[in-house]
Parts: sequence; C-alpha cells; structure tokens
Amino acid sequence: GNSVTQMEGPVTLSEEAFLTINCTYTATGYPSLFWYVQYPGEGLQLLLKATKADDKGSNKGFEATYRKETTSFHLEKGSVQVSDSAVYFCALRRAGDDKIIFGKGTRLHILP
Amino acid sequence: GAGVSQSPSNKVTEKGKDVELRCDPISGHTALYWYRQSLGQGLEFLIYFQGNSAPDKSGLPSDRFSAERTGGSVSTLTIQRTQQEDSAVYLCASSLDSRYQPQHFGDGTRLSIL
Repeated sequence: GNSVTQMEGPVTLSEEAFLTINCTYTATGYPSLFWYVQYPGEGLQLLLKATKADDKGSNKGFEATYRKETTSFHLEKGSVQVSDSAVYFCALRRAGDDKIIFGKGTRLHILP
Repeated sequence: GAGVSQSPSNKVTEKGKDVELRCDPISGHTALYWYRQSLGQGLEFLIYFQGNSAPDKSGLPSDRFSAERTGGSVSTLTIQRTQQEDSAVYLCASSLDSRYQPQHFGDGTRLSIL
C-alpha cells in the first residue's frame, strides 16, 4: 500500500545548525510529495511540494528534492532558527487520487 | 477571516455522548477534507467532499462516524456514542478544487473523551 515513513523525533538542534529530516515513501505510480508544518498552537500549513522526479521544492529556506530512485523526499535547511520549532509532516498524494497520506510527523526543537 | 475555521477549538465530553464538530471552509473552495490526528500517530484521512459528488467515506473508522456538507460549504463531522479512543485532534482542510491544489488546514478541534 501507500505509506510515508519519516524519522522519529524529537529532533533538537542549536540555532544555525544544519537540518535534515528524512522521509521515504511507498507508492504506486508517480505521487506528488509534500512537507507540511504545524507551528505551536496553529493549524497545518503547506511548506513545500514537488510533483515529479528531480523537482526541488523550496520555501522559507527549506528545500526537498523528489528522488525517485531512492523514493525519498528529505527536508533540509542550511541554518535553522528558533522560529522553525514546529512539527513537520511528510506526505504524498497519488496521481489521480485526492487523499493525502501523511507520515507521523517529526517534532523539531531549536535551542537559542 | 480568510482561512478554514473550525469549532469548537476544544471539546470535552463523557464516553457514550454524541459530538458534532464544525468546519467552515475557505469561500469558493469546492473540496473539503476531514483528518484525525491521534496522539503518537500520523494524520489519518477520514472523509472527503468534492462539489456535489458523493463523498469518499473510505477513511471513516466505524459507523459511529458520519459527516455531511450542506450547500457545498459548511461541514459537520458527527461522532455517535463516543469512545475513549476517539480522543484526538480533528482537522478540516479545504482546497480550490480536488486536483493539484494545496489543502489549507484549520486549527483543529481537540476532542477529549472522559
């Protein structure tokens, strides 16, 4: 079946550190891939997306590249800030489908 | 407001009671989704409405769960005879249409079953 696996948290980093949150997926066909972010006390927001292999999604200094060969969509940021503390969800949507399948989420703590 | 609005933001109720959760999507969005976020679990799809089409109910966990969408806008998720395992955050999302459009999420309703 279709599924998303992301690294368990919490992930704790110091400000200005390099961030990687791993995400791999299982899906038939060519899904669209997403990262959603949930800041404390807020609803989910779309952070970035990629719709085909080798696409790179980027937003707010975050990047993720759609790797078909490794079925991965790892989230990266070169220098994190305290304000990046949130829960990050990797997700996929199969081609021709409307439902989004989410990973379990990774809680990120950034220390000043 | 321009975002997806959900009410109540918090609901505490006794086991066995019925609850109704409300979602006001963004105006003009034809697609509406309900998800559940249980402690320690990922987001779980529950139900999806698209325009006047029959809803996709494939994610509803039991027949105690139902949802309707009146007039193609506001949606109500109803849980009958609540159980403790129903405790979760229930999230609603809407999108402009069902394909290739990002889903915009509300802040959720935190449901606690005593």
